[in-house]
Amino acid sequence: KQEVTQIPAALSVPEGENLVLNCSFTDSAIYNLQWFRQDPGKGLTSLLLIQSSQREQTSGRLNASLDKSSGRSTLYIAASQPGDSATYLCAVRLGTQGGSEKLVFGKGTKLTVNP
Amino acid sequence: DARVTQTPRHKVTEMGQEVTMRCQPILGHNTVFWYRQTMMQGLELLAYFRNRAPLDDSGMPKDRFSAEMPDATLATLKIQPSEPRDSAVYFCASGLTRGALGLFFGEGSRLTVL
Repeated sequence: KQEVTQIPAALSVPEGENLVLNCSFTDSAIYNLQWFRQDPGKGLTSLLLIQSSQREQTSGRLNASLDKSSGRSTLYIAASQPGDSATYLCAVRLGTQGGSEKLVFGKGTKLTVNP
Repeated sequence: DARVTQTPRHKVTEMGQEVTMRCQPILGHNTVFWYRQTMMQGLELLAYFRNRAPLDDSGMPKDRFSAEMPDATLATLKIQPSEPRDSAVYFCASGLTRGALGLFFGEGSRLTVL
């Protein structure tokens, strides 16, 4: 059974700091991995999606990497801002051929960026 | 701006009552998912549909939960009878099979069962 773990559960940093959020998964047979952001009381907003054949994806100040063999992904946030404060969740889509569309989620890392 | 729409946003009900949550997926998306989020368990998949056909509802308590897609623009999740342990935020998400953009989530329906 695929399990997704995110450590730490919470992280507090001063504004301007570069930071890394970690995600690990137990079964490397994934189709893709997606990072989401969730603000309090809101739904999930997709940030980046990495296909299983890719190593990384970038969007603005965000960079996500994927190492399937070791079952790890990282989300790098450069020059953090108070507006980045949110819970960040990673999710893996099961199945190497894309036949299963289930996403298995980690429990998230709650990020606080202090001004 | 295409988005997944969920109603109601908030629902407070008493134990034993029927609850129906509705979702309008993004037009053109062929997969629809129902997830439940709690502090303890995080996000759990309840059911999902592809081209309106139910593919997996193994995460749902079958005796009280049911999920349907009467047409391509509407998905429903029904709880009957509701119990306090059903209190959670229920999310609907839609996407495309083999889509490169992943899943799009609605704002959620926050259910409180007293």
